[in-house]
Amino acid sequence: EAQVTQNPRYLITVTGKKLTVTCSQNMNHEYMSWYRQDPGLGLRQIYYSMNVEVTDKGDVPEGYKVSRKEKRNFPLILESPSPNQTSLYFCASSSGTAYGYTFGSGTRLTVV
Amino acid sequence: AQSVTQPDIHITVSEGASLELRCNYSYGATPYLFWYVQSPGQGLQLLLKYFSGDTLVQGIKGFEAEFKRSQSSFNLRKPSVHWSDAAEYFCAVVNNAGNMLTFGGGTRLMVKP
Repeated sequence: EAQVTQNPRYLITVTGKKLTVTCSQNMNHEYMSWYRQDPGLGLRQIYYSMNVEVTDKGDVPEGYKVSRKEKRNFPLILESPSPNQTSLYFCASSSGTAYGYTFGSGTRLTVV
Repeated sequence: AQSVTQPDIHITVSEGASLELRCNYSYGATPYLFWYVQSPGQGLQLLLKYFSGDTLVQGIKGFEAEFKRSQSSFNLRKPSVHWSDAAEYFCAVVNNAGNMLTFGGGTRLMVKP
């Protein structure tokens, strides 16, 4: 089944403890993105990647890192999480402009 | 910069009634437009997309949308709403490079029995 898989689905962590949210797609898509969804603010793009080793900032990149060492994987790294990064995170992938993005099921992160 | 506006934050309709969700976009070139649906606790599912050709596009679950360039709109419609359609709906536009998908704020649909 074609899908984007995020792990974990839920995560509670403490301020400052480094964490990684994994994202993997099995569709051989070039494009991958990370979004965060917050009440009243909608979905905002954090980082995107147009291919292996090609990444760039989206609208809200502060406090996040990404890497794209393989085509299928696009992990999101929070090196020193803070409470304002408590949010619902989505990973998405696409094969091109006209095809739309396929989204993962989301990761609900709480930083205390 | 591209942007998307969904003027209605909440809409309530009766089951069986027709539905129209509004979407206005701002983009300098020919837009690539999408509608997504998010059920509670779920990810986003693509309902339909427009990138060229016929301005009335059909999607899954009986939804359709009409692209009107003169009004910069891409409204979503359904002739008869089912209780299972209750969800949040997002309109989005992607840039020509395909790397930036910009969402509207979403419209939460509630369906009355």
